[in-house]
Amino acid sequence: EPEVTQTPSHQVTQMGQEVILRCVPISNHLYFYWYRQILGQKVEFLVSFYNNEISEKSEIFDDQFSVERPDGSNFTLKIRSTKLEDSAMYFCASSDKGVGRTEAFFGQGTRLTVV
Amino acid sequence: AQKVTQAQTEISVVEKEDVTLDCVYETRDTTYYLFWYKQPPSGELVFLIRRNSFDEQNEISGRYSWNFQKSTSSFNFTITASQVVDSAVYFCALSRHQTGANNLFFGTGTRLTVIP
Repeated sequence: EPEVTQTPSHQVTQMGQEVILRCVPISNHLYFYWYRQILGQKVEFLVSFYNNEISEKSEIFDDQFSVERPDGSNFTLKIRSTKLEDSAMYFCASSDKGVGRTEAFFGQGTRLTVV
Repeated sequence: AQKVTQAQTEISVVEKEDVTLDCVYETRDTTYYLFWYKQPPSGELVFLIRRNSFDEQNEISGRYSWNFQKSTSSFNFTITASQVVDSAVYFCALSRHQTGANNLFFGTGTRLTVIP
C-alpha cells in the first residue's frame, strides 16, 4: 500500500542551526502538507502546497520556515534558524484531491529536538 | 472559524468494554468534512474515517462505529469490545468544503487506555 515516508525519524539540532525535514508523498497525490505536534498537544497546520506553490499557511509558518518540492518526489520543510520552541513532531501529509474531498495520509513523523 | 472540541482528555476502560469518544465541532460552513485519526504509541497518524456533512448516516466498520448528529454538531466515535491494541490518542478533525488544498483543524485528542 502506498505511504508517505519521512526522513529522518528523529533529528537533534542546536539552537540557531538550519534543519531540513524531508518527505516523499504518495506518488499520484497533488496536495502536500506539513503539520506539527508539540509534545502532548494537538496537531497544528503549518502549510499546504499545490502546483509548486504555497496554497495556505498558518500564523506559525513565519519567515523562518520554507517549503520546497525540489524534484518530482520530495517535499521538504526548512527551518532556517531553529528555536527551542520549534521542538516538536513534524508530520508530512499528502492528498490526491485536497483535504475534504479526499482524506490526507500522514507520514510517521520526524521528531525534532532543538537543544 | 473552525473549531473542534474533544472534552475527554483521557479515558481508561477494561478490555472488552465499549467506549465512546466525544467530538463537538464549530463551523459557519454549511458543507464540511469530519475525520477521525488514531495516533498509537509509535506516533504516526492513522486515518480512520472521513464523513461529508451531507451524510448523516451512521457508519460501522468492524468494532468501530461513528454517530454524526448535525443538530448537535457532534461526531462521536464508539469502539465496541475494546482491545489493548486500541490504546492510542484519537483525534477528531474538521475541514472545509472548498476546492483547493484546504487543511485539517484538529481537536486536542483523547487518550484511550485499554487495560487488560
